[in-house]
Amino acid sequence: GAGVSQSPSNKVTEKGKDVELRCDPISGHTALYWYRQRLGQGLEFLIYFQGNSAPDKSGLPSDRFSAERTGESVSTLTIQRTQQEDSAVYLCASNPSWGGNTIYFGEGSWLTVV
Amino acid sequence: GESVGLHLPTLSVQEGDNSIINCAYSNSASDYFIWYKQESGKGPQFIIDIRSNMDKRQGQRVTVLLNKTVKHLSLQIAATQPGDSAVYFCAENPNFGNEKLTFGTGTRLTIIP
Repeated sequence: GAGVSQSPSNKVTEKGKDVELRCDPISGHTALYWYRQRLGQGLEFLIYFQGNSAPDKSGLPSDRFSAERTGESVSTLTIQRTQQEDSAVYLCASNPSWGGNTIYFGEGSWLTVV
Repeated sequence: GESVGLHLPTLSVQEGDNSIINCAYSNSASDYFIWYKQESGKGPQFIIDIRSNMDKRQGQRVTVLLNKTVKHLSLQIAATQPGDSAVYFCAENPNFGNEKLTFGTGTRLTIIP
């Protein structure tokens, strides 16, 4: 597709369950980001993939959070044993490998933990 | 650690007036700055960017000003319209797009009809 695609767009899960969120970046974009945004708040960096380099996981809030990326395409963010404080929108973004270009965001996956 | 912050969390402007949204950054090594607009229920959208070798850049009804001396960034929106109501984020990048962006908290702009 033309833009960053995320799925599911909305997810309601029970506390303690695991969830997987998927991101399809723009074709040809080697850099991929995950951000978390709680209601009414700013963007919280989670993880950054750049090509074949080791990902920057410095933003992951706990070991319940993990992310993988298949080559330079699809990424999956996994949250294990979800807690109510995990409720947020999870935004994925991508940009090309060469510097200077802005990053483009998907519409987000809205996660509600009940 | 380094961070990007905004001076005002909310701003209300009369339709047709100009608005200015401010952003302070603390990383003097930042080389590239971007403003994003986020409408309710949507992902952030690119508005305009500026590199550190510039102090002003204009787009359609928007102007970004960069003052490196005081590490200050602003977004000016001319002749505001109801569709300008959104949250605006500034973001910085220390290596012209080759490293992760750091976002500010955001300013909610409300246009009053």
